[in-house]
Amino acid sequence: EVQLVQSGAEVKEPGEFLRISCEGSGYSFPDYWISWVRQMPGGGLNWMGMIDPGDSQTDYSPSFQGHVTMSVDKSLKTAYLQWSGLKASDTAMYYCARHRSGSRTSVCDFWGPGTLVTVSS
Amino acid sequence: EIVLTQSPGTLSLSPGERATLSCRSSQSIASSFLSWFQQKPGQAPRLLIYGTSSRANGIPDRFSGSGSGTDFTLVISRLEPEDFAVYYCQQHGSSPLIFGGGTKVEIK
Repeated sequence: EVQLVQSGAEVKEPGEFLRISCEGSGYSFPDYWISWVRQMPGGGLNWMGMIDPGDSQTDYSPSFQGHVTMSVDKSLKTAYLQWSGLKASDTAMYYCARHRSGSRTSVCDFWGPGTLVTVSS
Repeated sequence: EIVLTQSPGTLSLSPGERATLSCRSSQSIASSFLSWFQQKPGQAPRLLIYGTSSRANGIPDRFSGSGSGTDFTLVISRLEPEDFAVYYCQQHGSSPLIFGGGTKVEIK
């Protein structure tokens, strides 16, 4: 059974570093792109970017380029999303999602439950 | 960058009624790269329809998708109580991947 398990909720202050994780199981982790999606409180879905766990190739949305970093640890079957300096506007739920096939243009068929990030002073 | 416009923003219907949701794109999208998701409060999005018209695993046949080019439609033939949720379309054929703003299907 394919599963994406995300790290727990975080409460941080502005300017702090944060890394959240997404562990894949039940499939060959290196073979499927992972996307990250933001959902602000009461808002819609915003695609942030994607990473190929096989070679760590990334594709960031222009809206998020330079503000977040995506990475993977193949040995741990885990993808990461990190911020070097959080802003209050980063308060949101963050989902990881697996692309259906080995293609970066395939649909996301499995989603993690989300990690809630709250940034407040 | 592609813009996806979903309409209506909110659809107020009763169980048993038919729901028709629209997703219009600012540029033509190949049918393989248009998908629909359902999201219920407090839950992650769930894939409903991919490739414009193919139902994902476990999705009942009251859900159907159609369209081409710049106009796509999700139809729920007879609303069940569990279908009241927010629905998003997404294009995933070119970067950046884009979601529509969503249509909320609420109980009338």
